[in-house]
Amino acid sequence: EVQLVESGGGLVKPGGSLRLSCAASGFTFSSYSMNWVRQAPGKGLEWVSSISSSSSYIYYADSVKGRFTISRDNAKNSLYLQMNSLRAEDTAVYYCARGKSSGFYRNDYWGQGTLVTVSS
Amino acid sequence: DIQMTQSPSSLSASVGDRVTITCRASQSISSYLNWYQQKPGKAPKLLIYAASSLQSGVPSRFSGSGSGTDFTLTISSLQPEDFATYYCQQSYSTPPTTFGPGTKVDIK
Repeated sequence: EVQLVESGGGLVKPGGSLRLSCAASGFTFSSYSMNWVRQAPGKGLEWVSSISSSSSYIYYADSVKGRFTISRDNAKNSLYLQMNSLRAEDTAVYYCARGKSSGFYRNDYWGQGTLVTVSS
Repeated sequence: DIQMTQSPSSLSASVGDRVTITCRASQSISSYLNWYQQKPGKAPKLLIYAASSLQSGVPSRFSGSGSGTDFTLTISSLQPEDFATYYCQQSYSTPPTTFGPGTKVDIK
């Protein structure tokens, strides 16, 4: 069974940092691209960042570029998101999602999410 | 970036109703369109990919159609567990992938 479990969320002051983790199991992690998608309270889904299976390709939304860093450790079946210079508008539930690209790309499995609150 | 819109933003329906949700892209995206269902406090769940392909395990009452810029998600007979918010997502031009603003389906 595919499982994605996020951790590392919490309350942080504006300008602070946080590192999110996503532990993957039930599939060959090193064969899939991975993504972070966030959802502000009461709002819709916003793509944040993507990383290819071997970390060769990394992409960020303009809203987080230069502040967030995505990475992965295929030996540990883990995905990470280092978030620096956090702002109030980064407050959201952060989901990790697997990317499946056999023909048509989609996010076929999602974690349960971890809440990040940026507030003084 | 490709912008996605959805209509309606919300709708009220009864169990057994046929429900149709529309998604429109700001430019042609061929069939690179996915649909997700999200219930309160839960993660999104993939329902339809490539505009009309049913994800494994998803009930057949869900169907998708369309290509180019206009797409439709149809629930043929609404069930109690289908009350949720539905999002479309384009995967034609990635990154960035973009989601529609969502359509909330609630009980009439």
